[in-house]
Amino acid sequence: GAGVSQTPSNKVTEKGKYVELRCDPISGHTALYWYRQSLGQGPEFLIYFQGTGAADDSGLPNDRFFAVRPEGSVSTLKIQRTERGDSAVYLCASSYLAGTDTQYFGPGTRLTVL
Amino acid sequence: EDKVVQSPLSLVVHEGDTVTLNCSYEVTNFRSLLWYKQEKKAPTFLFMLTSSGIEKKSGRLSSILDKKELFSILNITATQTGDSAVYLCAVGDNYGQNFVFGPGTRLSVLP
Repeated sequence: GAGVSQTPSNKVTEKGKYVELRCDPISGHTALYWYRQSLGQGPEFLIYFQGTGAADDSGLPNDRFFAVRPEGSVSTLKIQRTERGDSAVYLCASSYLAGTDTQYFGPGTRLTVL
Repeated sequence: EDKVVQSPLSLVVHEGDTVTLNCSYEVTNFRSLLWYKQEKKAPTFLFMLTSSGIEKKSGRLSSILDKKELFSILNITATQTGDSAVYLCAVGDNYGQNFVFGPGTRLSVLP
């Protein structure tokens, strides 16, 4: 596709459930980023992949959050035992090369934990 | 800890007005500063700034960076209702590839 895509666009779940959020970056982009954005705030960095490896996961809030990118393209953000405080828009972005700062964002997944 | 502050947080103007949005930052080893426009969900890239004093311009939008005073401004001239959005500023450092975003400035342009 022409841009970064994310699925689902909306996800409603109950507290304690497990969720997976998917990001499909722009073809050929080696760097992939996950951010979380709460209402009225800027995006908050979670994790960055260069290729298949997580180059920087310092933004993951705790061990309930995990992300993978097994083939260096699509990435999945996994959240275990969801809490109400996890409710936010989860944004994915990709860039062509590491160190190329122009990031292209997807439309995000709005996660609501009831 | 890296920090980005934007002001004002909210701004209401009328079509045709000129606006200046501010971004100040504290970062240990600065690499770049980026401006984004966020209308619905996905922020869209506007400018990347790495050098002081060099103005980046795109149509009615322009931006400049002052690395000595640690701030950047985004100017929008002859505003239109389509400029209504949240404008985000983000800073990257040389220690990693993550970016720190400010809270954004919500601009509303009234007809």
